[in-house]
Amino acid sequence: QKEVEQNSGPLSVPEGAIASLNCTYSDRGSQSFFWYRQYSGKSPELIMFIYSNGDKEDGRFTAQLNKASQYVSLLIRDSQPSDSATYLCAVIYTGNQFYFGTGTSLTVIP
Amino acid sequence: GAVVSQHPSWVICKSGTSVKIECRSLDFQATTMFWYRQFPKQSLMLMATSNEGSKATYEQGVEKDKFLINHASLTLSTLTVTSAHPEDSSFYICSARRDLNTEAFFGQGTRLTVV
Repeated sequence: QKEVEQNSGPLSVPEGAIASLNCTYSDRGSQSFFWYRQYSGKSPELIMFIYSNGDKEDGRFTAQLNKASQYVSLLIRDSQPSDSATYLCAVIYTGNQFYFGTGTSLTVIP
Repeated sequence: GAVVSQHPSWVICKSGTSVKIECRSLDFQATTMFWYRQFPKQSLMLMATSNEGSKATYEQGVEKDKFLINHASLTLSTLTVTSAHPEDSSFYICSARRDLNTEAFFGQGTRLTVV
């Protein structure tokens, strides 16, 4: 089993809609979770992080964490064409490793 | 925000030669640095985790004698690809973190092409 799993997509949503991205992880001891965005040929850039169960909102982005079910999700409200990118879920494992999921490709259609 | 600088941005080298890639945290001290490799349309594969002053911890399947990592200071880590071959051609990315369980900031990446 891979350390961090995501649906690879591609995911297409119309402009203004909500995009929902999901991620599962295998290490029950993990405490820190991150969402990054990566444009083609570029390095990832941090969108937000979440450490506690529940929801965390930052502008149009909401991260949701459920440690019991070992999943973390990202919701993007009012999606814009500029949000089109690959979204990477990252998890810090108990051995201090920083693992990434395979990424979900999102396309927002104008 | 925290800035991580990676150099060079791209490099072309001949098969059999060695290439060194530098990763610097410019405005913070990085207790941990990570090195990743990314092939086209694939995710970031963690190669190794390095803490300042100690040996790097390599992921399974990564040859430590081929990918030499040196984390000599709290602001600098280097990755040396020794005796590079065409299959080593990839996008190499470093990231740095201030403390345990905090976010990591990424360098710009280095595109290595071995001919």
